[in-house]
Amino acid sequence: SAVISQKPSRDICQRGTSLTIQCQVDSQVTMMFWYRQQPGQSLTLIATANQGSEATYESGFVIDKFPISRPNLTFSTLTVSNMSPEDSSIYLCSALAGEIEQYFGPGTRLTVT
Amino acid sequence: GENVEQHPSTLSVQEGDSAVIKCTYSDSASNYFPWYKQELGKRPQLIIDIRSNVGEKKDQRIAVTLNKTAKHFSLHITETQPEDSAVYFCAPGSWGKFQFGAGTQVVVTP
Repeated sequence: SAVISQKPSRDICQRGTSLTIQCQVDSQVTMMFWYRQQPGQSLTLIATANQGSEATYESGFVIDKFPISRPNLTFSTLTVSNMSPEDSSIYLCSALAGEIEQYFGPGTRLTVT
Repeated sequence: GENVEQHPSTLSVQEGDSAVIKCTYSDSASNYFPWYKQELGKRPQLIIDIRSNVGEKKDQRIAVTLNKTAKHFSLHITETQPEDSAVYFCAPGSWGKFQFGAGTQVVVTP
C-alpha cells in the first residue's frame, strides 16, 4: 500500500484568489491523480499528474484553471486558480501502488467565499 | 468512455443480514474491478478488488463477484455490522483509468 498526505487539510479562500494543494506519497509511485468530490457526490477525475511532463486533463478541466505539477515520483501539487464559489469542494489526490491498487490522500476541503 | 451504473443508491439492512451492491459497466476493455468504502469525512479506502481473469474473491465478510460477459460485478457483505455503514463506490477500469460509480449509501441498523 501507499501512505498519502495532503496539505492543507482545509482552507477558506476569497473568490479570485488561488490555492495550491500539496500531495506527498511515502514511496515512489508510477501514477498520481487528482479528483474532486462535491458533498454527497461521487469522485470526478480532474487529471493524471505525469512526472516530468504536462498533466493529462479530463473533459471539462483545463490547465489554466487547474495547473498541476509533478516534479518527482512522490510529490504533486494541484492549484485551483481564480477561484469562485463553484470551486468549493473536496480535492483528493491518489496514487497507484502495487500493480494497480489506488490509494487516496485524506482530501483538502476548500470553501470559496 | 466508461459508463458506470451502481445500484441501489441506498441500502438499509438489519445488523447480521447480508448486503449486495451491483455495478454495471460498458467498456469491455476494463480489466480491474475495485470497491471502495468511504465513511463520512474520510478518504475512500480500497476494500476489495478483482481482476478480469477471476470470477470471485473473498476476504472475510466481504466478497466480489464478476460477470465479464454481462459486464457487471457485485459487492457482497455478509453478517453486516454497524461499522459497515458507509458509502460504497465501484470504480471499474484499466491501468491508469478508472470511472467511479455514483455510490451506494449503506445503513446498518442494530
